Amino acid sequence: AQSVTQLDSHVSVSEGTPVLLRCNYSSSYSPSLFWYVQHPNKGLQLLLKYTSAATLVKGINGFEAEFKKSETSFHLTKPSAHMSDAAEYFCVVSGPAKAAGNKLTFGGGTRVLVKP
Amino acid sequence: GAGVSQSPRYKVAKRGQDVALRCDPISGHVSLFWYQQALGQGPEFLTYFQNEAQLDKSGLPSDRFFAERPEGSVSTLKIQRTQQEDSAVYLCASSSRGSQGSPLHFGNGTRLTVT
Repeated sequence: AQSVTQLDSHVSVSEGTPVLLRCNYSSSYSPSLFWYVQHPNKGLQLLLKYTSAATLVKGINGFEAEFKKSETSFHLTKPSAHMSDAAEYFCVVSGPAKAAGNKLTFGGGTRVLVKP
Repeated sequence: GAGVSQSPRYKVAKRGQDVALRCDPISGHVSLFWYQQALGQGPEFLTYFQNEAQLDKSGLPSDRFFAERPEGSVSTLKIQRTQQEDSAVYLCASSSRGSQGSPLHFGNGTRLTVT
């Protein structure tokens, strides 16, 4: 079984300051991990993915995430928040590979508020 | 080409009515998924198709939920005798392969409100 825990339901940052969204996962196999973003009334958009290559993954819009197997974590960061980063962010684990397709298990989400 | 398209965008149903939600995946995508997203929560898996075959329906909450993809392209999620707890956003996603690590492309969803 696999699960994802996002440690903060809400994060509030000032524009221009760093953003940190925390995610821990549980998996009995080598997982693929993703971060998706969801803007209001919009579809989920892939920010980045980890698939057992480099542990530091760079995504779109200046986001990056680091896979730490020893801590079972996959935290998302951005050095400088922009107003357009206000959205809901989901940490996601995929698999197992033997299962049908690449079924995703979502965390509960973290809502990011960016203050001017 | 175009992304995943879902219709209708919004649906209001009276309790007990049947509804049908449509998903047009990206052309050529083999895998198609349905997810249910309740208010304030992350999406939860409902069912998965590889081409026309429904390989996993373990997430369907009851036998009132039925999904099909008869020609391996467009998919329909049907909910019979809707209940208030069915109110949610229903998301469709597709991917070109069924392998672990393949990113999913999501539609904008159908927001179902059961009154």
